[in-house]
Amino acid sequence: SQTIHQWPATLVQPVGSPLSLECTVEGTSNPNLYWYRQAAGRGLQLLFYSIGIDQISSEVPQNLSASRPQDRQFILSSKKLLLSDSGFYLCAWSTTGIAKNIQYFGAGTRLSVL
Amino acid sequence: SQQGEEDPQALSIQEGENATMNCSYKTSINNLQWYRQNSGRGLVHLILIRSNEREKHSGRLRVTLDTSKKSSSLLITASRAADTASYFCATDGDGGSEKLVFGKGTKLTVNP
Repeated sequence: SQTIHQWPATLVQPVGSPLSLECTVEGTSNPNLYWYRQAAGRGLQLLFYSIGIDQISSEVPQNLSASRPQDRQFILSSKKLLLSDSGFYLCAWSTTGIAKNIQYFGAGTRLSVL
Repeated sequence: SQQGEEDPQALSIQEGENATMNCSYKTSINNLQWYRQNSGRGLVHLILIRSNEREKHSGRLRVTLDTSKKSSSLLITASRAADTASYFCATDGDGGSEKLVFGKGTKLTVNP
């Protein structure tokens, strides 16, 4: 069965520090991968999605970047965090087959930038 | 742009009652999905309804879709305290896209 791992669960970082959040998927190959941010009490904002290695689309101009060094690994990074980067970050994957629209989410990372 | 918009934003009911949440969207879709999120957790897919379907059931869940009105509803029957969560609708935006656009969600509280 497929599983998605996202870590860390919580993170407190000072303004100006770097960021690296990692997400890995097991049990499937060539998944579509997604990074979302969720502000408190709000919906999900799509940040990046990837349909393959070296194929990453950015949805919103921001202080963040994403990379996909391996087929089932998706990393969200920042060189210098801003206060506004605080939020709940969610990684998700979907298949590339018939059920490609259904997304499966990780447990999320709560990031606090102080 | 925000595609799905749920209402109400918050709903509080007693255990055993039915809960109805609504979602409206703006563009044509191939399908519409509902997800559930427990506090501080990731989203979990509940049900998908295709644009050529009008109603779909899964256990205590009933979803309807009216493409002429660009709206959907999620009904949870005989609610339980464990149903307390936020519920989001999601659409595939321009149709057939790998991307989903989520609404802001309805926060459901089921009181025991």
